[in-house]
Amino acid sequence: QKEVEQNSGPLSVPEGAIASLNCTYSDRGSQSFFWYRQYSGKSPELIMFIYSNGDKEDGRFTAQLNKASQYVSLLIRDSQPSDSATYLCAVKGPGSARQLTFGSGTQLTVLP
Amino acid sequence: DGGITQSPKYLFRKEGQNVTLSCEQNLNHDAMYWYRQDPGQGLRLIYYSQIVNDFQKGDIAEGYSVSREKKESFPLTVTSAQKNPTAFYLCASSIGGPPGEQFFGPGTRLTVL
Repeated sequence: QKEVEQNSGPLSVPEGAIASLNCTYSDRGSQSFFWYRQYSGKSPELIMFIYSNGDKEDGRFTAQLNKASQYVSLLIRDSQPSDSATYLCAVKGPGSARQLTFGSGTQLTVLP
Repeated sequence: DGGITQSPKYLFRKEGQNVTLSCEQNLNHDAMYWYRQDPGQGLRLIYYSQIVNDFQKGDIAEGYSVSREKKESFPLTVTSAQKNPTAFYLCASSIGGPPGEQFFGPGTRLTVL
């Protein structure tokens, strides 16, 4: 059974620091990996995705993928109070008809 | 503006009632999905549809039904057989092909009275 696991947190970092969010997955055949941000009471919004080993940067966000270790992470540089939200990791497995499996999310609080 | 709309935003259901949640998209996406989110938990897949007139059960389909008569629309009915329907319901859509990212509507919060 496919599983996606995240530390539930809460994770607190001071403003301006780097926030590191981690996700592990069990299906070695997983192909694509997504990070969503969800503010309280709102729907998830896509931050970025990654499908090749290594790092992918987009502004203050960097996704890191290590398929050998079945590990994907999201780094948020220069964290701002507006980054306070729950971050969901999602994984697309092979031949899964475009389904995603979501982790339970990590709650991040950026302290001013 | 392209996007996904869901209605209503809030819905209250009495015991034994069926209710239908609306989801419409004008993104020309082939695939559409329904998820349920309970407090402090991730998203669980209820149903999904890759093309018109075809849909498949997800992980928690019992007590729910869907239809896909038009590419733009994917309504979800929560039946009286769903014993614990109070939750946040999210509709999503995706374009065909990799990497498979999904985009979400604003959600419907259903409460059973």
